[in-house]
Amino acid sequence: DTEVTQTPKHLVMGMTNKKSLKCEQHMGHRAMYWYKQKAKKPPELMFVYSYEKLSINESVPSRFSPECPNSSLLNLHLHALQPEDSALYLCASSQKKVYGHEQYFGPGTRLTVT
Amino acid sequence: GESVGLHLPTLSVQEGDNSIINCAYSNSASDYFIWYKQESGKGPQFIIDIRSNMDKRQGQRVTVLLNKTVKHLSLQIAATQPGDSAVYFCAEASGSARQLTFGSGTQLTVLP
Repeated sequence: DTEVTQTPKHLVMGMTNKKSLKCEQHMGHRAMYWYKQKAKKPPELMFVYSYEKLSINESVPSRFSPECPNSSLLNLHLHALQPEDSALYLCASSQKKVYGHEQYFGPGTRLTVT
Repeated sequence: GESVGLHLPTLSVQEGDNSIINCAYSNSASDYFIWYKQESGKGPQFIIDIRSNMDKRQGQRVTVLLNKTVKHLSLQIAATQPGDSAVYFCAEASGSARQLTFGSGTQLTVLP
């Protein structure tokens, strides 16, 4: 199973709402990632979790709050977002090995902030 | 057909022709490179990777070439098919960092 699943597929939320994005993988990968992708742009790294611990936060605003409850799950909690936060949010996972950084991506959650 | 990556982000080729997508990477310390394909409405899909101790690697209908001297990476797709239409991203990584840096992407359109 080389699949990363993400829910929901689409999300529309107001600027005062609180919502969460979910990501799951069952490949035994111990590194998991959140990316933000704007239309016609490459993915931008937001957070990296390694062995369920946050290892990289790319200066992401605090209105985005990641959580890794266990080695298979990754959440992104959203609160008080701005319209410019509308984007495709991608989750990815990879094995921990010295060489090879192949990351498997999920299909993404298309977020619209109104 | 051939693209120059950052400067010509769109590449159109006839079905059956070979495609060449180029990428200039920035970090001379990068030692691992990946090509991803992203179809509309989907997440990036792994195509092929290459380590810096190699200059060529072949997969099924795809070949990646690495020129470390000029920090250039290319993806060749043989006998391009309509299903190859997508945005193609190169990505680089260095050392033990888990961080991939993505290029700006090239939109490949296959014409019937």
